[in-house]
Amino acid sequence: EAGVAQSPRYKIIEKRQSVAFWCNPISGHATLYWYQQILGQGPKLLIQFQNNGVVDDSQLPKDRFSAERLKGVDSTLKIQPAKLEDSAVYLCASSLGGPPETQYFGPGTRLLVL
Amino acid sequence: AQSVTQLGSHVSVSEGALVLLRCNYSSSVPPYLFWYVQYPNQGLQLLLKYTTGATLVKGINGFEAEFKKSETSFHLTKPSAHMSDAAEYFCAVSPGLYSGGYNKLIFGAGTRLAVHP
Repeated sequence: EAGVAQSPRYKIIEKRQSVAFWCNPISGHATLYWYQQILGQGPKLLIQFQNNGVVDDSQLPKDRFSAERLKGVDSTLKIQPAKLEDSAVYLCASSLGGPPETQYFGPGTRLLVL
Repeated sequence: AQSVTQLGSHVSVSEGALVLLRCNYSSSVPPYLFWYVQYPNQGLQLLLKYTTGATLVKGINGFEAEFKKSETSFHLTKPSAHMSDAAEYFCAVSPGLYSGGYNKLIFGAGTRLAVHP
């Protein structure tokens, strides 16, 4: 069974530029998550989708971050404009459903904002 | 609100020694508890989880953890460390059945485990 796929793996941009990350979850997983992992910290949930709908985006900086999940499968996370403090690893995860289903994580996208 | 505290950001053990990684949580409802491992440049992988029932949970790679409600703890142990266990370990909590919450994981800051010969 294929795991969660993410691209790109690495990205370097200048501040105020825009960037987008892509995630393809495990087939059949209804729930998709985006996490931000800053160096030295645990992952922090940015947004959670259940099929096409958003169920939690309380920690998403909506003035600069946006995310969508097309047709309940793939998802993209965008940052526009980027700030220095956005430098982090962005992790995508998916699960079959709600608690206590296991979340399966992709390898992450490492973003460096200069 | 739930929170997780991992005592010790770095732990170093000798190969063959006991591994003990500490996790304490704060939750107003019976929680679900998880341990994840992260190897360099990889995503997180589930080691084990506690939902309900038996409080001693066995996971992959010889790890186990015990849910102690009275101590609000979920410490991770392994009797004998192997070089391949060197990684970062994250404890996480999720709202349980009674909270009505979605499967939102709240992670601790992580503990980096080093294993030396």
